[in-house]
Amino acid sequence: NAGVMQNPRHLVRRRGQEARLRCSPMKGHSHVYWYRQLPEEGLKFMVYLQKENIIDESGMPKERFSAEFPKEGPSILRIQQVVRGDSAAYFCASSPLSGHTDTQYFGPGTRLTVL
Amino acid sequence: GQQLNQSPQSMFIQEGEDVSMNCTSSSIFNTWLWYKQDPGEGPVLLIALYKAGELTSNGRLTAQFGITRKDSFLNISASIPSDVGIYFCPAPYNQGGKLIFGQGTELSVKP
Repeated sequence: NAGVMQNPRHLVRRRGQEARLRCSPMKGHSHVYWYRQLPEEGLKFMVYLQKENIIDESGMPKERFSAEFPKEGPSILRIQQVVRGDSAAYFCASSPLSGHTDTQYFGPGTRLTVL
Repeated sequence: GQQLNQSPQSMFIQEGEDVSMNCTSSSIFNTWLWYKQDPGEGPVLLIALYKAGELTSNGRLTAQFGITRKDSFLNISASIPSDVGIYFCPAPYNQGGKLIFGQGTELSVKP
C-alpha cells in the first residue's frame, strides 16, 4: 500500500521562475494538506483541499501561491515568480474520508531551493 | 491563535536510557498525534491518541493523552541510536482540519 507520494524530491529554481510541486495522496484518502517547513522550525499549515474544492487556505500567502486538487490526478502546489524566501521544504499530507479523518500521513517532501 | 509547546527543546542521552517528552496547550484537543522526523524526510506517524486519558504503546514507545485534553506525553524506553530525530506532537485545529505544530523536541542518542 503506497504512502503519500511527492515529486520532485528536490527542485531548484531561479528567482522569478515558477515552481510546481505534486502530491498523490494515499489510496482511499481524499483530503490533502500542504505544509511548509523552514530550517529549525516546525511545519506550518498552508492549505487543505478535497477533490475539486479548497476547504481552508488560511495559511497560504495572498500572492503567488495557489493550490488545486483536481478530480483526476495529483494535487498541485504552484508558486509563481519565486523569491529566495520561498526556499523551504514543502510537505503534503493526506487523511481518509471516514474513520479517523484527522489523522494525517505525510509524504517525503519537496525541497525547494531558489537561487 | 492556538499554540502547542513542546519540552524539552532538545535532549542528549546515552543509549539504553529512557526518554520522556511532553506537549502542552492552552486549548482543548480531541486528537493528539506523535510524529518523528528524520533529516531530509517527512514526519512519520508514531502514535495517534483519540480519547482523553488514553494510553497507547507502539513497541518501545508509549504515549498518553492528558485527562484535561490539553497535554500529552511520549516515553521512549531503552533508547537506541535510530531513535535520533525530531519529535513533533501536533493536534488538529478542527475535526479533519489543519494540524498545529510545536517547535519539536530534538533527540540525540550517544552510543
